[in-house]
Amino acid sequence: QSVLTQSPSASGTPGQSVTISCSGRSSNIGSHTVSWYQQLPGTAPKLLIYSDSQRPSGVPDRFSGSKSGTSASLAISGLQSEDEADYYCAAWEDSLIGPAFGGGTKLTVL
Amino acid sequence: EVQLVESGGGLVQPGGSLRLSCAASGFTFSAYWMHWVRQIPGKGLVWVARINTDGSIISYADSVQGRFTISRDNAKSTLYLQMNSLRAEDTAVYYCAREILTSQGYWGQGTLVTVSS
Repeated sequence: QSVLTQSPSASGTPGQSVTISCSGRSSNIGSHTVSWYQQLPGTAPKLLIYSDSQRPSGVPDRFSGSKSGTSASLAISGLQSEDEADYYCAAWEDSLIGPAFGGGTKLTVL
Repeated sequence: EVQLVESGGGLVQPGGSLRLSCAASGFTFSAYWMHWVRQIPGKGLVWVARINTDGSIISYADSVQGRFTISRDNAKSTLYLQMNSLRAEDTAVYYCAREILTSQGYWGQGTLVTVSS
């Protein structure tokens, strides 16, 4: 059971927008920033968002992050087939003295 | 180009030991905190251990505390994970990762550890 809670699946059609949510508590999201990772099938996780809403260079602006209280969201606009992947949120967890991850959301592009 | 290349995975019997290595290149290894994260195939990511730049600050997940040891050799730009008293539930792909929660987040391709008799 993951420290951060994500819906196991999400879907959309090409061109649509989709939002993936991540729920935590005061010891993680409520007091620390959130990162988002994309894991394409058979590959390593890749950083999409850090510090709640910042994109590393090279990440398309179709990907955006936000946070409110103890919840965070990843929004993907203009869905493309190559966006089909697993998405994980991550945040520091005080009790762990380390990063905690969500269980992952599998995004299907129909 | 930043690269993290894990090695040392394989099949080991329950109770056995294994040492994973992660060779870093393309960046100043000694300037970054490093982590090990594992993933059971088809499942989510689970943080295992972290180490600061000079090895003086280390922390572990409860599930591996006392059995696994993270270390680093900055002269060789290499991160290690010594895994002892391995259990079936340690079976997973093990990733080394640079600064997971910052703009510098970067992961290697992982190495598979299978604990089975």
